[in-house]
Amino acid sequence: EPEVTQTPSHQVTQMGQEVILRCVPISNHLYFYWYRQILGQKVEFLVSFYNNEISEKSEIFDDQFSVERPDGSNFTLKIRSTKLEDSAMYFCASSEATRSGNTIYFGEGSWLTVV
Amino acid sequence: QQPVQSPQAVILREGEDAVINCSSSKALYSVHWYRQKHGEAPVFLMILLKGGEQKGHDKISASFNEKKQQSSLYLTASQLSYSGTYFCGTEITSTNAGKSTFGDGTTLTVKP
Repeated sequence: EPEVTQTPSHQVTQMGQEVILRCVPISNHLYFYWYRQILGQKVEFLVSFYNNEISEKSEIFDDQFSVERPDGSNFTLKIRSTKLEDSAMYFCASSEATRSGNTIYFGEGSWLTVV
Repeated sequence: QQPVQSPQAVILREGEDAVINCSSSKALYSVHWYRQKHGEAPVFLMILLKGGEQKGHDKISASFNEKKQQSSLYLTASQLSYSGTYFCGTEITSTNAGKSTFGDGTTLTVKP
């Protein structure tokens, strides 16, 4: 079965450092998403991406965050200057079309620890 | 504003049924349901659109009451594999393109 793959599975970084989380969505999917889940808390939407631009973003997705699809297969989330509170599991997801009636496939997540 | 889920936790014996509710104070376009096991990624279960539809697969089904802005997830004849945290995600318009607001989740434990 096709799957969304994410790398790294776990990253530890110093506060203030830049981090790039990578995702390979399912190949025929057109919509891509990033979500965050702080340990023990609910999943939070960060951003959705379609046709090489951001479709929607949440209040969490401030100027320190950016997304990119650099080469037609990877979808990246960059955090420019990490803070302690950025420590969380970051999930990438993709869907074939809009959410309406379409299955959303999540990757296994990238666990980010900021120290 | 995030949807409110109830109950917060449910403990069942195998074969028993459960209902999990998700309510919103805002008019909704869609509700989607996920199950997440500890340390794993969420698994999409189903999406329900405005129009009051009901969907299901296997012994897990859901309904969406547009007037009440509430969705219910029905788990019948529960199996051990159903254990996990169930959460709903809501969208208020069709143009939200995935901008979902999630509930806090309902922890379901199925015991033998």
